[in-house]
Amino acid sequence: DAGVIQSPRHEVTEMGQEVTLRCKPISGHNSLFWYRQTMMRGLELLIYFNNNVPIDDSGMPEDRFSAKMPNASFSTLKIQPSEPRDSAVYFCASSLGQGAKDRDGYTFGSGTRLTVV
Amino acid sequence: AQSVTQPDIHITVSEGASLELRCNYSYGATPYLFWYVQSPGQGLQLLLKYFSGDTLVQGIKGFEAEFKRSQSSFNLRKPSVHWSDAAEYFCAVGSNDYKLSFGAGTTVTVRA
Repeated sequence: DAGVIQSPRHEVTEMGQEVTLRCKPISGHNSLFWYRQTMMRGLELLIYFNNNVPIDDSGMPEDRFSAKMPNASFSTLKIQPSEPRDSAVYFCASSLGQGAKDRDGYTFGSGTRLTVV
Repeated sequence: AQSVTQPDIHITVSEGASLELRCNYSYGATPYLFWYVQSPGQGLQLLLKYFSGDTLVQGIKGFEAEFKRSQSSFNLRKPSVHWSDAAEYFCAVGSNDYKLSFGAGTTVTVRA
């Protein structure tokens, strides 16, 4: 298996532009998570999907952030409009079961490093 | 709600020396505990996990961790570090729902 695949690996954009991050989870995994990693706040859970349905989006910072999972093999995280404080590494992770209860834990992608200038 | 504390932000260790990374958690019931490693520019890789049973858990890359309920700790150890062990290490705690709470991480530097 190729693991969790995220694209792009790096994204540099200007403030105000729309940014779309993409994730392909491991085939057969039922849960998908989007995390944001910054020096100041560490790893923050943004949103959790189970069977393509958003279960918990309480970590999404504000209305500028939105996430979708149109099918079991693809998810997007969109920021519109982007701001410099959105600069971070965004990780997608998937798991076979329901995350913490899944004895295999999460499998993380390599992340997208977003820089908003 | 669960939480994790990693008291050491940065540890420097000589190659060949032993390594211990501390992790303390807060959770009312029996937790699920994990250690992840993140190499520069990479995602997080699962090193080992504890759910129940034997409190000494073996993981990949020669790492082990011991769950001590009385101390609410899950410390990570390696008897002899290699230069390739230089990375950031994250402890995480999960509960009966889907959430994993991560610690702030400990950066390990290995000197020759």
